Amino acid sequence: DTAVSQTPKYLVTQMGNDKSIKCEQNLGHDTMYWYKQDSKKFLKIMFSYNNKELIINETVPNRFSPKSPDKAHLNLHINSLELGDSAVYFCASSQDRVNYGYTFGSGTRLTVV
Amino acid sequence: AQTVTQSQPEMSVQEAETVTLSCTYDTSESDYYLFWYKQPPSRQMILVIRQEAYKQQNATENRFSVNFQKAAKSFSLKISDSQLGDAAMYFCAYRDLFGNEKLTFGTGTRLTIIP
Repeated sequence: DTAVSQTPKYLVTQMGNDKSIKCEQNLGHDTMYWYKQDSKKFLKIMFSYNNKELIINETVPNRFSPKSPDKAHLNLHINSLELGDSAVYFCASSQDRVNYGYTFGSGTRLTVV
Repeated sequence: AQTVTQSQPEMSVQEAETVTLSCTYDTSESDYYLFWYKQPPSRQMILVIRQEAYKQQNATENRFSVNFQKAAKSFSLKISDSQLGDAAMYFCAYRDLFGNEKLTFGTGTRLTIIP
């Protein structure tokens, strides 16, 4: 019973391709997030959605587009992939106004060649 | 904007000994949350411990405890009786009490356990 599941876990693709990463949570949480972890292990927020509404949109190239079809899903679509997009992408979820921190997915390692 | 600083990129400790990881943060808010997350080689992000800023009592979770100094904006993690399974990256994180619930992370400390 994985709480936050991401697919795929590994993704190797060529420059210029378009790819998607899917995320689903079965915790009933209200908010979902995408974080990027770079090669130096630094974690930075990209987007967050609350009940399908975009709440946070940090300075991210518009090649990245999140989509939330419902409260339990937040997918990340990336167009025209570049070498610098190589990173680990984490999906996470949290319950509003409750201090339980985030529950993270296991991450997707994206390698652009 | 809130910032989180971890000044120790790497730390090591002998098995069964105690180690303290440092974290400082900057905020103009009076109420907020602080967290320590562990990331082992499996890359899974695991919540270790959390602290509400409005609580004076330091949080503890088994062998893990924090030293929360609100005035100094310091939030260190103490690991007692270190075990081989504690080897991981440790991230300090900050979140506002209200607002968009964004977690701001420090740069991490890599902890090595020496058998």
